[in-house]
Amino acid sequence: NAGVTQTPKFRVLKTGQSMTLLCAQDMNHEYMYWYRQDPGMGLRLIHYSVGEGTTAKGEVPDGYNVSRLKKQNFLLGLESAAPSQTSVYFCASGLRGGSSYEQYFGPGTRLTVT
Amino acid sequence: GNSVTQMEGPVTLSEEAFLTINCTYTATGYPSLFWYVQYPGEGLQLLLKATKADDKGSNKGFEATYRKETTSFHLEKGSVQVSDSAVYFCALRLDSSASKIIFGSGTRLSIRP
Repeated sequence: NAGVTQTPKFRVLKTGQSMTLLCAQDMNHEYMYWYRQDPGMGLRLIHYSVGEGTTAKGEVPDGYNVSRLKKQNFLLGLESAAPSQTSVYFCASGLRGGSSYEQYFGPGTRLTVT
Repeated sequence: GNSVTQMEGPVTLSEEAFLTINCTYTATGYPSLFWYVQYPGEGLQLLLKATKADDKGSNKGFEATYRKETTSFHLEKGSVQVSDSAVYFCALRLDSSASKIIFGSGTRLSIRP
């Protein structure tokens, strides 16, 4: 049981390049999330999904797109990378809400845009 | 709006010292409250949680009590260890669709041997 995995772990992009980050979970969770973590700012929600085929914008969605074609995968795309997107990206997943709810996080992807 | 405010770090303590990391929140309704921990180079892990007023969450010697009257959820540990060095995030979840979580900015804790 791998939990939440993310690929790649590290990436360096030039301004204007594109890339896709992959998140996979094997816990059959309905909900999945993409966050970015910047120094002194905690985690900010980029996009999220409440089920296969559905996505929604979070707090900081500009410059990113997502897709959830399969329940276990959640992809984050950068169409034209900018230096402001240099960050650590975390994926998380969770079951439908309830008192026992928690989010499970992947190990993160460190992205540098030059 | 809904937000979480936690004490700024870094916090540096000696081993076996008492730890308090303050956290207050602003929220409509009745949120669930969490503390997450991030060890170097890793993702976040849930440390403890409380789902209603006066609940106490506890795990690995850490405790936090959900205080509705002061809108606080302070993290405490009686005797810290070097292995507790990490970044700690206070967070809340609103009782709404998608179970979105709002995180504080994090507090870096360093423990000296």
